[in-house]
Parts: sequence; C-alpha cells; structure tokens
Amino acid sequence: QSVLTQPPSASGTPGQRVTISCSGSSSNIGSNYVYWYQQLPGTAPKLLIYRNNQRPSGVPDRFSGSKSGTSASLAISGLRSEDEADYYCAAWDDSLSVHVVFGGGTKLTVL
Amino acid sequence: QVQLVQSGAEVKKPGASVKVSCKASGYTFTGYYMHWVRQAPGQGLEWMGWINPNSGGTNYAQKFQGRVTMTRDTSISTAYMELSRLRSDDTAVYYCARDSGEYQFAGTFDYWGQGTLVTVSS
Repeated sequence: QSVLTQPPSASGTPGQRVTISCSGSSSNIGSNYVYWYQQLPGTAPKLLIYRNNQRPSGVPDRFSGSKSGTSASLAISGLRSEDEADYYCAAWDDSLSVHVVFGGGTKLTVL
Repeated sequence: QVQLVQSGAEVKKPGASVKVSCKASGYTFTGYYMHWVRQAPGQGLEWMGWINPNSGGTNYAQKFQGRVTMTRDTSISTAYMELSRLRSDDTAVYYCARDSGEYQFAGTFDYWGQGTLVTVSS
C-alpha cells in the first residue's frame, strides 16, 4: 500500500493527451514538491519532472506537471509509442517515519 | 558524463547480509548526496535513505533503521549500502540515485545506477 495514490493503468492512442493523477496528503504533496519518474521496461527510473513542474534538460516539453493542494498530475501530450512505460510520482514527507514517499506507479499503454 | 555503476547480482540466504556498491564518475563525488531506493519484483519504488559523501552523515527510513548501513569510500568515489538480517521480502532490485543539489540537499534524484538484483532464498 503506497502512501501516494496513482491509478494502476492509463492508456491512449498516438497523438492523444493523457494525464496521470497522484493523490497524497498535507504532510507530503500538500507541503512539499512533487517529482515524476519514468521507468521504461527493464531499466532504471529516469527523472521526468522535478519541483512540481520543472523539466530537466532533454525531457521533451510534451511532458508537464502540475500540483494543486494535496494532488498532482502528469500530462503527456502528443503521445508516442516510446512513452509506454511506468510512471511514478514522489514527494518528501514531513512525518517522522518516512522521508520520501512514492506512488504505486501507473503503467501507460500506447494503443 | 555522470555515471553510477553498481555491483552485480547477489543471492543470499535468509538471515545473511548483503553489501551493494555504487561507483560514481563524471562529477565530484563528495559534492552530492547519494540515495538508495529499492523495487521488489513487479512492485513500486521504496526509498531507503541517503548518505552525504562529504561528511558521511546518513538518514534512513524508519522501516530500515537497525538493518541498513550506508557508507562511502571517497578515495574511490564509491557508496555502499549494506542490509542485514535479510528476509525473503527483501528480494528486490536496489538502486543508488544521486541527489541533484550540489553541496546541499535538493531531494531530486537526477541520476540512477543500473540496479542490483538481490535475491533472498533458502
């Protein structure tokens, strides 16, 4: 059971826009930055979005992040076949027991 | 270019310990915190803790306190994660991940190692 809640799956056709949601609480998303990581099959995660909506160099502007209250979302526009991957949201948590929490991951399928 | 190269797969018996290494190159090793994250088969990501390679200071997730030890050897730009009293549910891929903040904590994992599979089985 992950602290951050993501839908287990999402899908879209090439060229479409899809969004992936991430729900948390006041101790994590509500008071800290949100991060998004992309994990292609059989590879290590890759930083996709940091500090809610910032893209590292090299990440296409088709990827965008937003945050409102205790929820966040990742949007992918102009969907491409190579976007098929698992996507994880993450946030730092102010509770004593855990410092970083992840969502359970969303498997994106490009139909 | 920044690279994090981890040690190879391990098979351990329950109750044993495992030590995974993460060799950094392409940047000043002591300038960036190093995190460890694990992923059980078919499961999500789980943060374990971090080490400040400059000071050796560490911060562990409560779940792993008492079982995990993170160390570093600055002479060879390598970070280590040792997990003791292994159980079958510790079977996972263990990743090291660099924090993006230079000489400060940023909380962003900008570069990742390739992962090390640790299998715990009798």
